[in-house]
Amino acid sequence: QQQVKQSPQSLIVQKGGISIINCAYENTAFDYFPWYQQFPGKGPALLIAIRPDVSEKKEGRFTISFNKSAKQFSLHIMDSQPGDSATYFCAAKRNNFNKFYFGSGTKLNVKP
Amino acid sequence: ETGVTQSPTHLIKTRGQQVTLRCSSQSGHNTVSWYQQALGQGPQFIFQYYREEENGRGNFPPRFSGLQFPNYSSELNVNALELDDSALYLCASSLKEQGSDGELFFGEGSRLTVL
Repeated sequence: QQQVKQSPQSLIVQKGGISIINCAYENTAFDYFPWYQQFPGKGPALLIAIRPDVSEKKEGRFTISFNKSAKQFSLHIMDSQPGDSATYFCAAKRNNFNKFYFGSGTKLNVKP
Repeated sequence: ETGVTQSPTHLIKTRGQQVTLRCSSQSGHNTVSWYQQALGQGPQFIFQYYREEENGRGNFPPRFSGLQFPNYSSELNVNALELDDSALYLCASSLKEQGSDGELFFGEGSRLTVL
């Protein structure tokens, strides 16, 4: 059973637009939800993360929205830029457990 | 501060062979995790090493094994390679303090192709 489900699989957005990627999780014991950005030929890099005690976290153009009752969280990229073109992964983890569960990834293409 | 480095970056093996992948953790980190990323998929947890011992394992068979050394570097060994082992193998280091895991910092991975 896939612990974290991510959608869409791919996304095309015009420069300056808003990119939205969604994730849903099963395990209510998860308490840490990061988003990773991966460029071709590189390892994933932490972008932004949230814990379930807040409903939203914003860092620059990147915002995580978290809905605990729906067991969903999403990444919003405002004013999307061609340099944002990458694959994005959501993930989830339980406190004091060492295993991160990753979504299947969303390939974002921002058109100039 | 040096980041996570992995070697080799690419390698090709044939079915049945054995492979060893290496990882140097980021300075100050004491924990190393290994993930397998198949093409078009998210990383899957293989195992974690902390204080030179395996500290948690995902759904991978025993032919996947590892080591952590006193300097916190690590090796991933895979025996009896199968075609489905073809993937990007990612090493991630973190700092475990008071039982709580810190952020994962990934290396660029080792791309393994099994023919």
